[in-house]
Amino acid sequence: DAGITQSPRYKITETGRQVTLMCHQTWSHSYMFWYRQDLGHGLRLIYYSAAADITDKGEVPDGYVVSRSKTENFPLTLESATRSQTSVYFCASRVGAYTGELFFGEGSRLTVL
Amino acid sequence: SQQGEEDPQALSIQEGENATMNCSYKTSINNLQWYRQNSGRGLVHLILIRSNEREKHSGRLRVTLDTSKKSSSLLITASRAADTASYFCATDARETSGSRLTFGEGTQLTVNP
Repeated sequence: DAGITQSPRYKITETGRQVTLMCHQTWSHSYMFWYRQDLGHGLRLIYYSAAADITDKGEVPDGYVVSRSKTENFPLTLESATRSQTSVYFCASRVGAYTGELFFGEGSRLTVL
Repeated sequence: SQQGEEDPQALSIQEGENATMNCSYKTSINNLQWYRQNSGRGLVHLILIRSNEREKHSGRLRVTLDTSKKSSSLLITASRAADTASYFCATDARETSGSRLTFGEGTQLTVNP
């Protein structure tokens, strides 16, 4: 039972480069989320998706793009990485709207030089 | 802005002691959840308490919710060194569209053996 997996776990890139963080879940949960975690800010929601082809902005969406062509995948793309996007990124999933807990991946630690 | 705010930011206790963490929030909620995060890992769901509940237990965990004060507390009894982690409250607010949790900044708990 793989659950929810993120890749890569660690990534170093340079300012201006495009980076894609992958997220895959095996439960067929409807909802998927991307959070970033930074010291002093806790977890902040970047984007979320209620189903395939349905996405919506969270609290801090600028500089990020998401897609969800398949229920199980929810990639997050930084189109032109900036140093302020250095963070730990967490993908999570949930069965449905207001239906309990989030299941988190192990995180992707991104460093932008 | 963060919905939930945990207090204290850091807590250090001896094994066997009880640990209490508090969470305050600002808007009406459907439910409040507590999560645990070990260093370098993803968040793991601990317990959910609905807005019409006042207290809930799960093993050594006890959660209370006071909707009139917009606050919750997490009590870990008879703590163990393995309880060392960060603990986050997350609110599932009535006003937010769709389904997304808003997290606080967390309490770092250290249990000394």
